[in-house]
Amino acid sequence: DAGVIQSPRHEVTEMGQEVTLRCKLISGHNSLFWYRQTMMRGLELLIYFNNNVPIDDSGMPEDRFSAKMPNASFSTLKIQPSEPRDSAVYFCASSLSAGVDTGELFFGEGSRLTVL
Amino acid sequence: DAKTTQPNSMESNEEEPVHLPCNHSTISGTDYIHWYRQLPSQGPEYVIHGLTSNVNNRMASLAIAEDRKSSTLILHRATLRDAAVYYCILRSTGANSKLTFGKGITLSVRP
Repeated sequence: DAGVIQSPRHEVTEMGQEVTLRCKLISGHNSLFWYRQTMMRGLELLIYFNNNVPIDDSGMPEDRFSAKMPNASFSTLKIQPSEPRDSAVYFCASSLSAGVDTGELFFGEGSRLTVL
Repeated sequence: DAKTTQPNSMESNEEEPVHLPCNHSTISGTDYIHWYRQLPSQGPEYVIHGLTSNVNNRMASLAIAEDRKSSTLILHRATLRDAAVYYCILRSTGANSKLTFGKGITLSVRP
């Protein structure tokens, strides 16, 4: 079975450009999480969805960041305009959440973003 | 969110058992104890989780204190591939609960 698929794996862009990161969930999973990882701040939860509905976006840095789930198996994280401080590895993770005992998260390999 | 406390780092020898401690004195009754690890240049991966009873799986064992204020992840025979950052995380029950990572503990394995 394919795991969580993220694209692009690497992106180098210039300050001010729009960046779109993509994530395909594992088939049948209903929860989606976006994380950002830097040396300084570690792994930060940006936003998560359950059944396509955003549950908590309090980790989204500012209005330049937006995330969507246009369908149950796909998500995008958009940064517009990008800034050098957005440089990080962005991970998405999916899980099957049902009932009391929440399921394990399966992470993608990450998208490494460099904003010059 | 209830917080966890882990040492910054630990060293072990290959093929020996490793005990990674985690303190979570403010744990609530609805919090599960989760462990994830992150190998170099990879995304985090699930290791194990439990609520009250000790748990075993093919990767590791989780020993939970009777008062649930601490837990220990046990790798029975460390290999070089187990060198990673290990995160101990509390996650509340329910479909809408989130998973918040702390700094974790960096495990080094000596050949």
